[in-house]
Amino acid sequence: EVVLTQSPGTLSLSPGERATLSCRASQSVANNYLAWYQQKPGQAPRLLIYGASSRATGIPDRFSGSGSGTDFTLTISRVEPEDFAVYYCQQYGRSPYTFGQGTKLEMK
Amino acid sequence: QLQLQESGLGLVKPPETLSVTCTVSGGSISNGNYWWTWVRRPPGKRLQWIGIINYRGATYYNPSLESRLVMSVDTSKSQFSLNLNSLTAADTAIYYCAKAVQVTGSSLIDYWGQGIMVTVSS
Repeated sequence: EVVLTQSPGTLSLSPGERATLSCRASQSVANNYLAWYQQKPGQAPRLLIYGASSRATGIPDRFSGSGSGTDFTLTISRVEPEDFAVYYCQQYGRSPYTFGQGTKLEMK
Repeated sequence: QLQLQESGLGLVKPPETLSVTCTVSGGSISNGNYWWTWVRRPPGKRLQWIGIINYRGATYYNPSLESRLVMSVDTSKSQFSLNLNSLTAADTAIYYCAKAVQVTGSSLIDYWGQGIMVTVSS
């Protein structure tokens, strides 16, 4: 199965700073079917990005996704207070679909 | 607004069977473009995709769980369910139901339930 490794494990930033989160796959992600989800404590995960770079409905344009093959990035251009959360990548190109271990974005 | 609500016992003894049901409201469980999905997260571990079922009952399971897993759907109740047998402590997890949309050759989870914690312990 495809193993996804996210880095860093924790990212400490101040509001207004740029966040860059990485997701690396053990093999090429088929069709670049790579999604990013945000999860806050006690809440359900929320879809942010699909197909590596397409924003889901209602997601602010400060969130962007890029990458292809085995290396993918989620960028938050200017972090807002409500963005502090855990972010997961998931590949849905090859079954069984797999998730990264998560990156926690915390306030510095 | 779609809502997904998990229900089931929070504590199950090994090696019994875990049963969790997801009730769908605010949308149609019979939409042919949707795959109803189960995902779990054991404590301290990453999310694990369990499998999917559509309204006709077609299923795809994670091979690592397939031998112990049965998913079902009841469109009359707008519910789909997960049954996992021969439980061990390793099955302790938050179980999420989710809706996935059909994409070419795959399915993309675009909406999640809140999750239900299930502990396997004697």
